Amino acid sequence: NAGVTQTPKFRVLKTGQSMTLLCAQDMNHEYMYWYRQDPGMGLRLIHYSVGEGTTAKGEVPDGYNVSRLKKQNFLLGLESAAPSQTSVYFCASGDFPYEQYFGPGTRLTVT
Amino acid sequence: GQQLNQSPQSMFIQEGEDVSMNCTSSSIFNTWLWYKQDPGEGPVLLIALYKAGELTSNGRLTAQFGITRKDSFLNISASIPSDVGIYFCARTNSGGSNYKLTFGKGTLLTVNP
Repeated sequence: NAGVTQTPKFRVLKTGQSMTLLCAQDMNHEYMYWYRQDPGMGLRLIHYSVGEGTTAKGEVPDGYNVSRLKKQNFLLGLESAAPSQTSVYFCASGDFPYEQYFGPGTRLTVT
Repeated sequence: GQQLNQSPQSMFIQEGEDVSMNCTSSSIFNTWLWYKQDPGEGPVLLIALYKAGELTSNGRLTAQFGITRKDSFLNISASIPSDVGIYFCARTNSGGSNYKLTFGKGTLLTVNP
């Protein structure tokens, strides 16, 4: 099993550009999550999904959109990137309600 | 509220020393989890605790769920260089959203060989 994979690993955007981050899991998990990690801030939940076709807002959802069209994939979109969205983005999945398993991360820089 | 206080923020120790870190919350919760993040990687689940007073070990790691259900600690015995990383505590949210976790801000551990 590959577990949780994220694409791409690194990306540099200019302010105003858009992009989509892809998360895929092969563990048949119901729950999927997107977090951002900033120095000194820990992990903050952006959006999450409790099943195929569902999405919900987390702690810091502004400027992001998500979609879960297939159970194994969870996409995070930035419609108009801003420098404040420079961060490391982690996807996680889980089935047992409390245990989440993380991908390797995407490092995004917005200039 | 939903805040988690994790301490210390950072530790610099010698190889072979024992390490202790903890998390506290102002509210009671049902689950505590401990994760480790290696540099440049995603967090990896180390230990999950589900009952007040529960003490669980994973190799040189031991974690306990406090009796008051408001705190948890993680101990690492006989530290080695590969223990370097950021350790996060996390706990489930209350009520019907217990599939969401709140994370502490992490303890950065440096081990000097």
